[in-house]
Formats: sequence, structure tokens, C-alpha cells
Amino acid sequence: DAGITQSPRHKVTETGTPVTLRCHQTENHRYMYWYRQDPGHGLRLIHYSYGVKDTDKGEVSDGYSVSRSKTEDFLLTLESATSSQTSVYFCAISEQGGVGNTIYFGEGSWLTVV
Amino acid sequence: AQSVTQLGSHVSVSEGALVLLRCNYSSSVPPYLFWYVQYPNQGLQLLLKYTSAATLVKGINGFEAEFKKSETSFHLTKPSAHMSDAAEYFCAVGNQGGKLIFGQGTELSVKP
Repeated sequence: DAGITQSPRHKVTETGTPVTLRCHQTENHRYMYWYRQDPGHGLRLIHYSYGVKDTDKGEVSDGYSVSRSKTEDFLLTLESATSSQTSVYFCAISEQGGVGNTIYFGEGSWLTVV
Repeated sequence: AQSVTQLGSHVSVSEGALVLLRCNYSSSVPPYLFWYVQYPNQGLQLLLKYTSAATLVKGINGFEAEFKKSETSFHLTKPSAHMSDAAEYFCAVGNQGGKLIFGQGTELSVKP
């Protein structure tokens, strides 16, 4: 299994509060990703990083920010959580950014916004 | 723009029966295609991927998929379903930056 640790694994938070999800990898992979999974939508990319301090937006980035100060850590922040951000969040990593490279996924973080 | 469509959000088969999960893609360039499996409350695990080396791709757990350019399809099959195959399956196409574009997912149920 890829060395990816997500924390927290489960969280319930109130609308309007900030939330940070952490992804930690031990593989020294350059690329890291945050996806969200919702029924009927599969997984959709929120943000990704192609190096330390190098990040870019994905398909559903509104309401989210990210930071990557070290190769091994990629943080996803919901500045002011809303009920529409209730979802399962997956961190993923890839050694290279080529189109055919395999992406490895973490175990997921279940977030409920009430 | 690239996209993936999985036909059927839920498929049910009997144990020992053929498993067929359908995936069609849209891509303006030769695609790289993936199948992932997700067991309950777990992350996604790579089953197999197509990278143009061979049209028939064999993966883990007895699964295989055939790339058909003329049909823009990459259907996943397994000759004989096991109870342990019950999971959600995702088809995806690779994009620049190593990103993946996923289909909606197909939940596979296996009846004893």
C-alpha cells in the first residue's frame, strides 16, 4: 500500500467554521491531489500540487484552498464550511505528472457539515 | 475535453456469473485509461490501466479490460464473480499533470 495518511478520518463540523484536512505521504512523490467523492459524481479534483509551494485548481475548487510547504504534506482547507461540502475527501499521490502515471489514493476523510 | 461515462450505476450478478462493467470515453488524443475498485469505507485501488501497449489488459483479482478504439470503450470483465468482488468500480481517463477524470462509478453486487 502507498504510504498515504489522511487526518482526520472522520469529522463533524458546523456551518461557517474553518476545517483543515491533512495528507501526509512517505513516498517522496512530487504530485499530490485532493479529490472529493459524491454519489453520482464519481471523484472530482479539487486542487493539486506539482511541487512544494506549487499548486493549481481543479474542477471544483471554489470554497477550498490548499498549501504544500513540504514534499510530504498537502493541506486542504475549507475556509468557511457549508453543507454542500459534506463529502468524502481523498488525497492521492503520483510520482510523475505524465498522463499515464498511476495515482495512489489514501483511505479517505469523511466530513459532515451540519 | 476528455470525459468518461459508465453505463449503469448499479450492476447485480450471481456468484459464478460473468461480470461486465461498461465504460465509454471521449478524448481527442490517444487515451490512457484506468479502472479502480473501492471496497466499503476504503480508498481506491488500481485494478488495471491501459497505456497503448496492448488492447487487452489484465489486472488484479482476475479482472481484465479491452480497449476498443472504434467503440471508444474500455469495458471491465471477469469470467466468474466472487462474493468478494462486491464493491464500487470507477473508470477514469488520464489527463495532463497526472490528473484523472472519473466516471460516475458502478456499484457491483454479487448474489449468492
